[in-house]
Amino acid sequence: AQSVAQPEDQVNVAEGNPLTVKCTYSVSGNPYLFWYVQYPNRGLQFLLKYITGDNLVKGSYGFEAEFNKSQTSFHLKKPSALVSDSALYFCAVPNRKVTFGTGTKLQVIP
Amino acid sequence: NAGVTQTPKFQVLKTGQSMTLQCAQDMNHEYMSWYRQDPGMGLRLIHYSVGAGITDQGEVPNGYNVSRSTTEDFPLRLLSAAPSQTSVYFCASSYSPDRVYGYTFGSGTRLTVV
Repeated sequence: AQSVAQPEDQVNVAEGNPLTVKCTYSVSGNPYLFWYVQYPNRGLQFLLKYITGDNLVKGSYGFEAEFNKSQTSFHLKKPSALVSDSALYFCAVPNRKVTFGTGTKLQVIP
Repeated sequence: NAGVTQTPKFQVLKTGQSMTLQCAQDMNHEYMSWYRQDPGMGLRLIHYSVGAGITDQGEVPNGYNVSRSTTEDFPLRLLSAAPSQTSVYFCASSYSPDRVYGYTFGSGTRLTVV
């Protein structure tokens, strides 16, 4: 069965510092992986996806994600965090029963 | 573009009452699904549909019914509401969930069962 895991319930980072939100996966074959963001009282929004090709994927709002096959990871990154990045972040494995991670709350401290 | 529209945004039900959560999309997406979101548990799939007339169960289907008579609409019915169904419900659609296409989510329905 395909699955993703987000080992951190919450990540705190100071504004202007780089941020990383972690995701590991368990997928047979070549994985397709997604990141979504959820702002308070809103639905999830697509951020970026890895299908194939370059291991560094660029997405919306300055976010990027690094696919690492040897470590089975797909960590979300941003070089300089903004207070407005504070939200809930989900990684996901797409299939008919799309599997989401449990989510990581990112808190950017001014 | 309206995207995915969910109604109502908020609802309070008494135990045992029934209701229907509405979901409509205007993107001609074949795939639609319902999730519930509970603190610490992420999103859990309730039911999904791969096209009009075709539905299937997800991870937590008990207590919920769905039907898909048109491509646009995918209502979720609570048959006899229970406090355990207090949650935030999200509808999502996709051109195809397999592989390269992501989801478009509605803004959610916050349901409280008392």
